[in-house]
Amino acid sequence: DMKVTQMPRYLIKRMGENVLLECGQDMSHETMYWYRQDPGLGLQLIYISYDVDSNSEGDIPKGYRVSRKKREHFSLILDSAKTNQTSVYFCASSLSVYEQYFGPGTRLTVL
Amino acid sequence: GDSVTQKQGQVTLSEDDFLFINCTYSTTTYPTLLWYVQYPGQGPQLLLKVTTANNKGISRGFEATYDKGTTSFHLQKASVQESDSAVYFCALVDRGGGSGNKLIFGTGTLLSVKP
Repeated sequence: DMKVTQMPRYLIKRMGENVLLECGQDMSHETMYWYRQDPGLGLQLIYISYDVDSNSEGDIPKGYRVSRKKREHFSLILDSAKTNQTSVYFCASSLSVYEQYFGPGTRLTVL
Repeated sequence: GDSVTQKQGQVTLSEDDFLFINCTYSTTTYPTLLWYVQYPGQGPQLLLKVTTANNKGISRGFEATYDKGTTSFHLQKASVQESDSAVYFCALVDRGGGSGNKLIFGTGTLLSVKP
């Protein structure tokens, strides 16, 4: 069963705290993505990973970094979170750019 | 750079109504256009892909086409059901970016279908 998982599903942090969002996939896809979704803005690409330790910035990478040490896991890290990073974060994986499999999302609130 | 515009933020229909959502696109390469659907509490999922102008993509009762002349692409369904209530995103494959191929998403259309 093709699946992308995200942990945690909900997270509340205070400004300045570090945040770790984790994503896993069981499809052995090489390519994985992190997006954020905000009302009226749609899905914005933060980072792309093409495989282990092969990551590229997306359209809005500022304030974020990623880590991919195993093909099935892709982490998004916010060092010293800011209130404007409150959002819903989605991870996705794919074999081709067309069909991306998305996880259920993590709702992050930074107070 | 490549871009997608989706102006319809919200559409409210009754069951059995006709659905029509459209987006416009801009690209310097051959367009590959997609529709994703996001049901409440879930991540988006691919609904349709359209790669040839004036040829339909069809899935789950939805049809998608695009028009090169007007650089627009459309999603339609003859008779919507309450279960179709979701957010619909158009997307364009961007082949020219430094990050390699990626998707450019529209801002989404929230479809609410009343029983």
